[in-house]
Amino acid sequence: GENVEQHPSTLSVQEGDSAVIKCTYSDSASNYFPWYKQELGKRPQLIIDIRSNVGEKKDQRIAVTLNKTAKHFSLHITETQPEDSAVYFCAASNEGQNFVFGPGTRLSVLP
Amino acid sequence: EAGVVQSPRYKIIEKKQPVAFWCNPISGHNTLYWYRQNLGQGPELLIRYENEEAVDDSQLPKDRFSAERLKGVDSTLKIQPAELGDSAVYLCASSLEQQYEKLFFGSGTQLSVL
Repeated sequence: GENVEQHPSTLSVQEGDSAVIKCTYSDSASNYFPWYKQELGKRPQLIIDIRSNVGEKKDQRIAVTLNKTAKHFSLHITETQPEDSAVYFCAASNEGQNFVFGPGTRLSVLP
Repeated sequence: EAGVVQSPRYKIIEKKQPVAFWCNPISGHNTLYWYRQNLGQGPELLIRYENEEAVDDSQLPKDRFSAERLKGVDSTLKIQPAELGDSAVYLCASSLEQQYEKLFFGSGTQLSVL
């Protein structure tokens, strides 16, 4: 089955700096890769996603890149703000049949 | 539009007791998921429903866990008897059949087994 790894497990950045979180997946059949943000005690919320026919997608300060050959995808947050502090999860899915989540990255944006 | 609703929000029980969680998905969402999230980890799928049919329950510990989705809307997840290792957050999620990629999560039920 699919296996998703995520690095780093914790990340601290200064406010205004960029943050990058990387994930790798094992199943070449996976074709959909969402990223979820989970604040303490709250539900995971979708922040951006990418499909396997696209190499990069951007939404304001957030971008995701996908390398199908290497089976890895990354989340990029620019101009980080304190409210970006949360746990971020990547996931891989094959046509929505099953979502396998990474273990998460705890991002802390220091003022 | 109301989101995915789960209850209770918190549950504390002693080991060997039964417990049940309830989920009401977003109206019109055919697909419903139950996930378990252990502290510091990502959600892990327990069971996925398409309407009232359980299409993937391979990760559900069937000796003590059961689930149902009568009429293809609300769902309940039950544990009987609960064990210490069952302490976790149980998340329900739903998606539209035609937009199955976009999962919408509920707030979860935080279970503590003492």
